[in-house]
Amino acid sequence: AQKVTQAQTEISVVEKEDVTLDCVYETRDTTYYLFWYKQPPSGELVFLIRRNSFDEQNEISGRYSWNFQKSTSSFNFTITASQVVDSAVYFCALRSSNYGQNFVFGPGTRLSVLP
Amino acid sequence: SQTIHQWPATLVQPVGSPLSLECTVEGTSNPNLYWYRQAAGRGLQLLFYSVGIGQISSEVPQNLSASRPQDRQFILSSKKLLLSDSGFYLCAWSVLGGGNTEAFFGQGTRLTVV
Repeated sequence: AQKVTQAQTEISVVEKEDVTLDCVYETRDTTYYLFWYKQPPSGELVFLIRRNSFDEQNEISGRYSWNFQKSTSSFNFTITASQVVDSAVYFCALRSSNYGQNFVFGPGTRLSVLP
Repeated sequence: SQTIHQWPATLVQPVGSPLSLECTVEGTSNPNLYWYRQAAGRGLQLLFYSVGIGQISSEVPQNLSASRPQDRQFILSSKKLLLSDSGFYLCAWSVLGGGNTEAFFGQGTRLTVV
């Protein structure tokens, strides 16, 4: 079975604080892909990053960074020096080659960045 | 470049009325197409996906159906809406084939059944 858990339902931080959003996944497949999406108040899901299961190298993009650890089945997302515009719901998702074409999403984490 | 169009943006429908939501993709061929539903304050639930014209897979039993009459057109329908059908409906596409591609989402339709 495929499953994605985001244990943090809601997080509130003050602007300029760092924040980490947790994502834990379950899959029996050896080849799979992990994603993070941002859903601002407008509702549209915005793709942030894709990571392949065979590439555990962490990635940094500006204030965003992702930590992929296969040993703990986690793919955590850190925002450094958060800004009010980062306020959104963030979804982690899983897709595997042996599970057809489907994306399995976690329940999401609502991040509120207060000025 | 590829774009995805979904309409209408908002919809208020009475219980028992029919539903038709449309989604079209431009700039790509043979995409995978998806319909997701997001209940208020909840995650995304996959409703249907399609890997080709006329090929529809349903993930959960429900009051809804989907059709793909053309390669880049995906339609979500219902003959009689229920209150529980209220939610935010998102259409998405991805490149056909392996799993190493992301999904791209439309702007969504907020459906309220009254």
